[in-house]
Amino acid sequence: QKEVEQNSGPLSVPEGAIASLNCTYSDRVSQSFFWYRQYSGKSPELIMSIYSNGDKEDGRFTAQLNKASQYVSLLIRDSQPSDSATYLCAVEEGTYKYIFGTGTRLKVLA
Amino acid sequence: NAGVTQTPKFQVLKTGQSMTLQCAQDMNHNSMYWYRQDPGMGLRLIYYSASEGTTDKGEVPNGYNVSRLNKREFSLRLESAAPSQTSVYFCASSEAGTGNEQFFGPGTRLTVL
Repeated sequence: QKEVEQNSGPLSVPEGAIASLNCTYSDRVSQSFFWYRQYSGKSPELIMSIYSNGDKEDGRFTAQLNKASQYVSLLIRDSQPSDSATYLCAVEEGTYKYIFGTGTRLKVLA
Repeated sequence: NAGVTQTPKFQVLKTGQSMTLQCAQDMNHNSMYWYRQDPGMGLRLIYYSASEGTTDKGEVPNGYNVSRLNKREFSLRLESAAPSQTSVYFCASSEAGTGNEQFFGPGTRLTVL
């Protein structure tokens, strides 16, 4: 079974700071990577997808992928209390098979 | 558009009872999935349906059956519920093929006593 590892947290950052969330994966052939946000008691919703090495920016969010080192990260700039949630990293292991990490809980302190 | 809908939202069963969780999507997606989410375990794939008429096992299929009723609907059945099946169940859908975002339903919180 391929694995996706995340630090469970909680990661606490002050409002306005940069939050850095990391994820490592074991399957070298994975090509698609996703970050989902999940509020307590709610379902996951997609924040970013990334497929190529490097950075991908969308508003306050930047996803970074390094396939050689097998890690993917998510940076949240100007963190807001509304960003407090659990962030799930997902890796597409094969067609239709997504492996999810256990998630990192982020707390943004006002 | 409602997206992905699931019924019921909450359910309590006794050991040995059966039930069916319903899922429907209105995004014209070909692929649908059932996951369970347990504390400290993350989301685990139970079954998926790549397209209408096909279903395949995921990581944790034991104790479950599925039916892809049509392109919109994908149901999950517990024939004889066990306490180990206490979990939150999420249905998801996506376009067919690789690299596609999954859209999740609101979830069903199931307790088996």
